[in-house]
Amino acid sequence: QVQLQESGPGLVKPSQTLSLTCTVSGGSISSGSYYWSWIRQPAGKGLEWIGRIYTSGSTNYNPSLKSRVTISVDTSKNQFSLKLSSVTAADTAVYYCARGTTMVRGFDYWGQGTLVTVSS
Amino acid sequence: DIQMTQSPSSVSASVGDRVTITCRASQGISSWLAWYQQKPGKAPKLLIYAASSLQSGVPSRFSGSGSGTDFTLTISSLQPEDFATYYCQQANSFLPLTFGGGTKVEIK
Repeated sequence: QVQLQESGPGLVKPSQTLSLTCTVSGGSISSGSYYWSWIRQPAGKGLEWIGRIYTSGSTNYNPSLKSRVTISVDTSKNQFSLKLSSVTAADTAVYYCARGTTMVRGFDYWGQGTLVTVSS
Repeated sequence: DIQMTQSPSSVSASVGDRVTITCRASQGISSWLAWYQQKPGKAPKLLIYAASSLQSGVPSRFSGSGSGTDFTLTISSLQPEDFATYYCQQANSFLPLTFGGGTKVEIK
């Protein structure tokens, strides 16, 4: 059973960089036709796709965040990571990592989510 | 971006009711639509993919239909564990991937 787990600071100061890591267990991050995404959800609001990475290293980002986002993968650690720079209070949200499949074209496995608050 | 519009934004229903949620895409996405269920404090759970395919382990009371721009999620007989918020997501090759605003299914 594949499991995803987010980790990283729960509090980030404005203008700093938010950094999160997603650890994948129960399967190799490199196997199969998958991509690995970050998705966020402000309190009481809907879901926003941040971006994705394939284990080839190819990335796609949401244009609304593209200038501030970097997603990377470390296959040796079975992890992928998110960096979001120059954060403001508007970036306060629950951040989820998720596995997308090119066959199903949906997100079939999700992490539990981690709340990141941007505040001084 | 492809805009995904869900309706209604909330619905009150009783156990045993049939509930239908609609999702409209701002442009055609073929059958590349997924539906998720989210309960408070939990991650979304994939229910339906490719508009009408039931994800493994999801009860058969959930069904999806549609193609192009108009889609529906139907719960044939609402159960207590189905009270949650439901989201659609366009899964076409158009980026960015986008979600609908959500439909909250509440107890009547």
